Amino acid sequence: AQSVTQLDSHVSVSEGTPVLLRCNYSSSYSPSLFWYVQHPNKGLQLLLKYTSAATLVKGINGFEAEFKKSETSFHLTKPSAHMSDAAEYFCVVSDAPPSFGAGTTVTVRA
Amino acid sequence: DGGITQSPKYLFRKEGQNVTLSCEQNLNHDAMYWYRQDPGQGLRLIYYSQIVNDFQKGDIAEGYSVSREKKESFPLTVTSAQKNPTAFYLCASSIGEGDQPQHFGDGTRLSIL
Repeated sequence: AQSVTQLDSHVSVSEGTPVLLRCNYSSSYSPSLFWYVQHPNKGLQLLLKYTSAATLVKGINGFEAEFKKSETSFHLTKPSAHMSDAAEYFCVVSDAPPSFGAGTTVTVRA
Repeated sequence: DGGITQSPKYLFRKEGQNVTLSCEQNLNHDAMYWYRQDPGQGLRLIYYSQIVNDFQKGDIAEGYSVSREKKESFPLTVTSAQKNPTAFYLCASSIGEGDQPQHFGDGTRLSIL
């Protein structure tokens, strides 16, 4: 079975500084990987997905993630955080059913 | 626009009462899922269905029941056997298994009266 570990439960950044959310996965084959964002009292929204094409994946709202097979990682980054990026972020690996990480809460300081 | 609709947005349950949460999708997706989310917690899978008239238990199915009589509908019943039902419930769907992303509804918040 596949599994996902999000290495940080909480990340705090200042507005305008870079954001890094770390995700490691475990898979017996080349998986599909996803990042989702959840704002308070809302459902999850897909930020980006990796499905064995380019290893650097660009998503919505300026986010991108890099798939590194040698490190079994799929870290999410954004060059400059905005106040609206404050939310919960989930890394997910494809499986039947999909396997979710525990989530990372991002706070953005003005 | 296609999407997933969960209703109601807020729901209150009395002791010993069963309540049903609605989830409808018009995306023509085969797979549907129910998750429970507690404050500060991630998502825990309750039930999922990959095809009409078939569903599987997730990690926390006890005290819950589902049906999948139509492709577009996957209602969740929280029974009186679920002793701690207060949570945020999310429904999702996907085209199929594995490498397709899920689409999520906006959730139902269930509380005990």
